[in-house]
Amino acid sequence: GQSLEQPSEVTAVEGAIVQINCTYQTSGFYGLSWYQQHDGGAPTFLSYNALDGLEETGRFSSFLSRSDSYGYLLLQELQMKDSASYFCATKSRSNYQLIWGAGTKLIIKP
Amino acid sequence: DAGVIQSPRHEVTEMGQEVTLRCKPISGHDYLFWYRQTMMRGLELLIYFNNNVPIDDSGMPEDRFSAKMPNASFSTLKIQPSEPRDSAVYFCASSLAAGGQFRDIQYFGAGTRLSVL
Repeated sequence: GQSLEQPSEVTAVEGAIVQINCTYQTSGFYGLSWYQQHDGGAPTFLSYNALDGLEETGRFSSFLSRSDSYGYLLLQELQMKDSASYFCATKSRSNYQLIWGAGTKLIIKP
Repeated sequence: DAGVIQSPRHEVTEMGQEVTLRCKPISGHDYLFWYRQTMMRGLELLIYFNNNVPIDDSGMPEDRFSAKMPNASFSTLKIQPSEPRDSAVYFCASSLAAGGQFRDIQYFGAGTRLSVL
């Protein structure tokens, strides 16, 4: 089967850097995606890694290590508006659709 | 583009009633997904369509749930009869490329918050 694990909650301070980890178990790997969801809102796409290494998009970066079945989302210069849940997701081998982690709630303190 | 549009945003109904959720995908997107989100079970894929054809409905929890996509710009998710355990947020999403494509961005609607009393 396929599954993704991520911490349920992470706390950080405004202006700091935070890393949200995701480990996965898949029978075939089709890249790792990250989505952000604010309370009461809808998931929105942040980043995608197909190959090892770092992908940077402004204050957000995503990293992938396929040999370790591991990825992370790095958020820099944290702002209060970054308080949200962050989901990692990968493709299902059976139907090529996204399988989602349970999400990490990021709490930012002033 | 207006994005994925869902209606209603909130629905409160009594157990046993029929509930119909509606979705208009982004124009030109050929994949449409229905998800359900709860605290206990997270984000679950219920069913998805490709070019208006249901491809995989293995996530549909019971026969009480049904989904249709009569044309490229409209889809419905129906629950009949509804039960309190169906209370959740239901999201519709669409994407331009999926299937064998490894990278596809799913665009989500604002969701319908369903409460079954």
